Amino acid sequence: SAVISQKPSRDICQRGTSLTIQCQVDSQVTMMFWYRQQPGQSLTLIATANQGSEATYESGFVIDKFPISRPNLTFSTLTVSNMSPEDSSIYLCSVEETNYGYTFGSGTRLTVV
Amino acid sequence: TQLLEQSPQFLSIQEGENLTVYCNSSSVFSSLQWYRQEPGEGPVLLVTVVTGGEVKKLKRLTFQFGDARKDSSLHITAAQPGDTGLYLCAGAGGTSYGKLTFGQGTILTVHP
Repeated sequence: SAVISQKPSRDICQRGTSLTIQCQVDSQVTMMFWYRQQPGQSLTLIATANQGSEATYESGFVIDKFPISRPNLTFSTLTVSNMSPEDSSIYLCSVEETNYGYTFGSGTRLTVV
Repeated sequence: TQLLEQSPQFLSIQEGENLTVYCNSSSVFSSLQWYRQEPGEGPVLLVTVVTGGEVKKLKRLTFQFGDARKDSSLHITAAQPGDTGLYLCAGAGGTSYGKLTFGQGTILTVHP
């Protein structure tokens, strides 16, 4: 399966600032997914990122708050903008691999103070 | 919107006991996946079931996909403390092409 390097692994940020999370995949993939997860709970899809087109956002998530870049088939970033304590969560990227399933990064644990 | 109802939400058992986790939906999925997640890590894929009625075994874990491809179960025999973690079911396909629909998760704690 693909190997995903996600960073930072954790960060503590001041409210009103922005944080950019990076995901690097060791192989080319068409679709990358960004999720949010509260500790011990399930995952909520934020958006789907395809290379060469704008990301598709799920209900409740908007581009101004969570801008996504997908400059090539192995890399993507998610920015959490103008953060508030409610944005404190774990953020994960994921890729789909044909005949395998989905592989996840190890997550970024964000705390906004 | 597709939903996956996963139960129970919490399981606390003694080492050696058996357990079953269920995922149910009114939607049909092309496949259903089970993940296990430990603190500080992303979910790790355990198995993918594709065919209605399919049963897959992974050591002490048995996974079943319902005949109608709307439900699935995970059964663990003789649980061990190393089985402790968050278990997630996720459906693929159906009306949410290319995206996973996750269940609410089951936090399993196995006490020595």
